[in-house]
Amino acid sequence: EAGVVQSPRYKIIEKKQPVAFWCNPISGHNTLYWYRQNLGQGPELLIRYENEEAVDDSQLPKDRFSAERLKGVDSTLKIQPAELGDSAVYLCASRETSGTDTQYFGPGTRLTVL
Amino acid sequence: SQQGEEDPQALSIQEGENATMNCSYKTSINNLQWYRQNSGRGLVHLILIRSNEREKHSGRLRVTLDTSKKSSSLLITASRAADTASYFCATETGANNLFFGTGTRLTVIP
Repeated sequence: EAGVVQSPRYKIIEKKQPVAFWCNPISGHNTLYWYRQNLGQGPELLIRYENEEAVDDSQLPKDRFSAERLKGVDSTLKIQPAELGDSAVYLCASRETSGTDTQYFGPGTRLTVL
Repeated sequence: SQQGEEDPQALSIQEGENATMNCSYKTSINNLQWYRQNSGRGLVHLILIRSNEREKHSGRLRVTLDTSKKSSSLLITASRAADTASYFCATETGANNLFFGTGTRLTVIP
């Protein structure tokens, strides 16, 4: 079974430019999470989806970050415009809504803002 | 913050030795989970212990949970070079969100 897929794996952009990350969760997983992981820190939740609904986006900086999960499958996280402090690894995770308590993580996208 | 804290921040041991990492947290939890992250990779789920459990084993892993002290420990026995990674504890509350600690960087020397 394929795991959580993320692309791109690496992205380098100039500050003030837009950037987008894509995630395809494990088939059948209704819950999808986006996390940000700063260097030397643990992941921090940005947003959680149940199917296509964002049920917790309290930690998402809404002035520059946006996310969508059309059709309740894959998801896109966007930053516009990017700032130097946005450099981090952006992780996507998915989970069976009514099944186990385990979240399965993708490999992440490492963003560098110059 | 609900984020947990791991102790120590870094640990270096010889292959074959046991490694113990501790995690402290602040709020009531439904469960506590441990994850491993190899350099440049995503997180891999290791083990989950529920709030009504005190100890759990999985292969060379042993996890304990003391809810009265709001703490957990992860023991890796007979360590191998391949165990070199960062280890994170994560607590799950009623909102079904995970809050990660700051991690312990484990180095196992062959």
